[in-house]
Amino acid sequence: DAGVIQSPRHEVTEMGQEVTLRCKPISGHDYLFWYRQTMMRGLELLIYFNNNVPIDDSGMPEDRFSAKMPNASFSTLKIQPSEPRDSAVYFCASRRGDQPQHFGDGTRLSIL
Amino acid sequence: QKEVEQNSGPLSVPEGAIASLNCTYSDRGSQSFFWYRQYSGKSPELIMFIYSNGDKEDGRFTAQLNKASQYVSLLIRDSQPSDSATYLCAVIYTGGFKTIFGAGTRLFVKA
Repeated sequence: DAGVIQSPRHEVTEMGQEVTLRCKPISGHDYLFWYRQTMMRGLELLIYFNNNVPIDDSGMPEDRFSAKMPNASFSTLKIQPSEPRDSAVYFCASRRGDQPQHFGDGTRLSIL
Repeated sequence: QKEVEQNSGPLSVPEGAIASLNCTYSDRGSQSFFWYRQYSGKSPELIMFIYSNGDKEDGRFTAQLNKASQYVSLLIRDSQPSDSATYLCAVIYTGGFKTIFGAGTRLFVKA
C-alpha cells in the first residue's frame, strides 16, 4: 500500500514568492494533518481536516498560510507571501479514526 | 501546562542497557497514545501504540500507560546504537480528536 505522499521533497525559493505544498493521504483515512517542524519549536500542528472539512486551524501562524482539502485524496498548504522564518520541514500525516497516524516524507522548505 | 510533555534529554545509555522514556499529558479523557521514532532528516515512524492501562510489549519495546496519573512511558531493552534517535510521544485529544506531539526526547546509545 502506498503511504502518505508529499511533494515536492525540497523547495528553495525567494522571499515573497508563493509556495504550494501538496499531500496525498493514505486511501481510506479520514483525518489529515499538516505539521511544521523546526529545531526550536519541534513538531507543531498547523491544521487538520476530518472528512475533508477543516476542524482546527488555530496552529496556522498567520494569514499568509492557507490550507485546502478539495477531496479525500488531496490537500494543499500554501504560503503567500513566503518569508525566511517559514523555512522548516513540513509534514503531512493521515490516519483513520483513532488509529495511529502515518507521516509523509516531508517537504524541506528554504526561503532565501 | 503543555498538552504533552517530555524531557528533551539528551538521554545517554550504554549499549545493552534499558532506556526509559517518559511522557505526561494534560487531557484526562484521552484514550489513544503513541510512540514515534524519528531519525535525523527523516519523518516520524510509529513504533508502539497503547490504548489500555498497563503494559504492552513488542520485541524490545514496552509501552506503559497509567491513565490515572496521565503518564505514558516507553522502555527499550537491550539498547542498540541504532536506537539512537528522537522519540516522540503523541496523544489523541478528546476535543476534536487532534493528535498532539511532545517535543521529543533525544536518545543516544553508546557502543
